[in-house]
Amino acid sequence: QQPVQSPQAVILREGEDAVINCSSSKALYSVHWYRQKHGEAPVFLMILLKGGEQKGHEKISASFNEKKQQSSLYLTASQLSYSGTYFCGTDDTPLVFGKGTRLSVIA
Amino acid sequence: EAGVVQSPRYKIIEKKQPVAFWCNPISGHNTLYWYRQNLGQGPELLIRYENEEAVDDSQLPKDRFSAERLKGVDSTLKIQPAELGDSAVYLCASSPLAGGPWGPETQYFGPGTRLLVL
Repeated sequence: QQPVQSPQAVILREGEDAVINCSSSKALYSVHWYRQKHGEAPVFLMILLKGGEQKGHEKISASFNEKKQQSSLYLTASQLSYSGTYFCGTDDTPLVFGKGTRLSVIA
Repeated sequence: EAGVVQSPRYKIIEKKQPVAFWCNPISGHNTLYWYRQNLGQGPELLIRYENEEAVDDSQLPKDRFSAERLKGVDSTLKIQPAELGDSAVYLCASSPLAGGPWGPETQYFGPGTRLLVL
């Protein structure tokens, strides 16, 4: 079952913060986050595991609420390089990706 | 470490023509995936291989799509005949069998092949 991401799109100015949400209708063991820049392949950002263990990106953080079956990606003090489409993937084997959140950071 | 390699990067064909995409995964990665990504959408799995065995091909339109992974390394995805609705980006990804350094099923994507069917 495909996870639901929100918002679908967001525009930020450099230095602003953003939150991207990913919700599932099923219990989750892990949530994976990827970023895809226009015309490029998706690139792994981080994985969040049941029990709170988090591994991944140094400048982007995330949370995983197992009870709510939801994960949120936090981008703080956004930079132009953060622009792209962010996908969450839930831990079916293989991953099932959401439709993505398009993030645009402007100067 | 070399990444996932795909070719061609772009392909334009007329409908009803055949087309093939090639993927070379990261060395040592036993799991290989083929995805289709339509404009504005997330990647959708077509087929997954564990070594040379296709373990999940439920989303592969078998009437026109076929794939193979000989010797458990390189893989080829073929469409014959292509239809207008097949226009999309075809992504190949790979992962270590037991999961990458970041946990289970972390996938490393290639640059994709952008297909346009006229």
